[in-house]
Amino acid sequence: RKEVEQDPGPFNVPEGATVAFNCTYSNSASQSFFWYRQDCRKEPKLLMSVYSSGNEDGRFTAQLNRASQYISLLIRDSKLSDSATYLCVVRKSSGDKLTFGTGTRLAVRP
Amino acid sequence: GAGVSQSPSNKVTEKGKDVELRCDPISGHTALYWYRQSLGQGLEFLIYFQGNSAPDKSGLPSDRFSAERTGGSVSTLTIQRTQQEDSAVYLCASSLEAGTGELFFGEGSRLTVL
Repeated sequence: RKEVEQDPGPFNVPEGATVAFNCTYSNSASQSFFWYRQDCRKEPKLLMSVYSSGNEDGRFTAQLNRASQYISLLIRDSKLSDSATYLCVVRKSSGDKLTFGTGTRLAVRP
Repeated sequence: GAGVSQSPSNKVTEKGKDVELRCDPISGHTALYWYRQSLGQGLEFLIYFQGNSAPDKSGLPSDRFSAERTGGSVSTLTIQRTQQEDSAVYLCASSLEAGTGELFFGEGSRLTVL
């Protein structure tokens, strides 16, 4: 089983839609979780960290479910500029490497 | 420069040749990572340097791959006797310290092995 698993998509949604991605991780001892965004042929960039209590940044909401070992990303009111690949990232402990999922591709259409 | 710098940006080589890829991290960043990404695929972890600690080499796919980080700054990834399956974009990233989740990536070195 992969350490971090994501549905590759693509998710095709109209502008204004709400879309959610899930990501599962295999190591129950994992401590830190993040979502990165990667535009086509560009390098990944941090979108947001995921906190145990859940956190929101504008139209983006991230949640963690430790019992089921998954994290989620919710995007409200999708914009064309949200089209990208969203990478789930997990770290086992502080000082350990970051493990990336294969990403979920989102395409927002007019 | 302000960001992570990688060179060369593109490298085409013949099967069997050795290649060296260079990464210049953001000044002051103690952690440095190498990942590779094949077309349409996710990021595959290769190696991780953190300060003076022994590097985590657990992701290196074979003994043809090696990396070093001199003086806690510049890093070189070396691939010996390249194979066609080594073709990928090699991404370097640095972070201020080990505990942060924010990696700053370079634009990558695209390697094509003919």
